[in-house]
Amino acid sequence: GAVVSQHPSWVICKSGTSVKIECRSLDFQATTMFWYRQFPKQSLMLMATSNEGSKATYEQGVEKDKFLINHASLTLSTLTVTSAHPEDSSFYICSARDAMATGELFFGEGSRLTVL
Amino acid sequence: KQEVTQIPAALSVPEGENLVLNCSFTDSAIYNLQWFRQDPGKGLTSLLLIQSSQREQTSGRLNASLDKSSGRSTLYIAASQPGDSATYLCAVEAAGNKLTFGGGTRVLVKP
Repeated sequence: GAVVSQHPSWVICKSGTSVKIECRSLDFQATTMFWYRQFPKQSLMLMATSNEGSKATYEQGVEKDKFLINHASLTLSTLTVTSAHPEDSSFYICSARDAMATGELFFGEGSRLTVL
Repeated sequence: KQEVTQIPAALSVPEGENLVLNCSFTDSAIYNLQWFRQDPGKGLTSLLLIQSSQREQTSGRLNASLDKSSGRSTLYIAASQPGDSATYLCAVEAAGNKLTFGGGTRVLVKP
């Protein structure tokens, strides 16, 4: 099946720093990618929809200046957590759909962010 | 607003038993429903995708049914194995390509 790669898989940073997470579709092109956040033992909450070549669409309650999303190419979307604080510590997961196919969304392995 | 509920939240069975996981959703205007598996600290693995026009999908020991009118889907896993232990999530897709996830069912298959 299609592969979506996330990097880094885990990161620890100091409060106030910014962290960038990459999401790549390895064997297909994705015009749309999605970013989710997952707290321990909870389900996934959609943060934003990343559209190639245009601005991301954020869900209600998600600060767009806090979580910067860039979708510069058909295979790469990045999420930057700016001025991270301990409450931003979470598991971030991206997903993508093959632009040439319909249906399945493929998910990355997730990135665990810990802010000290 | 779409709401997705999964029952039970946790399930423990002896190896060899069949698993039955339930998923319900409030808005029947969906494009598809997808079942995922998530291992601890990992991302999601897609198991089965059922389009809104379909009633079921099968893959090996897995079978998922969809009753859109009643807002329900059931995932059956036959002859469970310890390797089936994981959290199973269902998600429905509606307009705007957005997925709404259920809370998941944590499954433990005891050898």
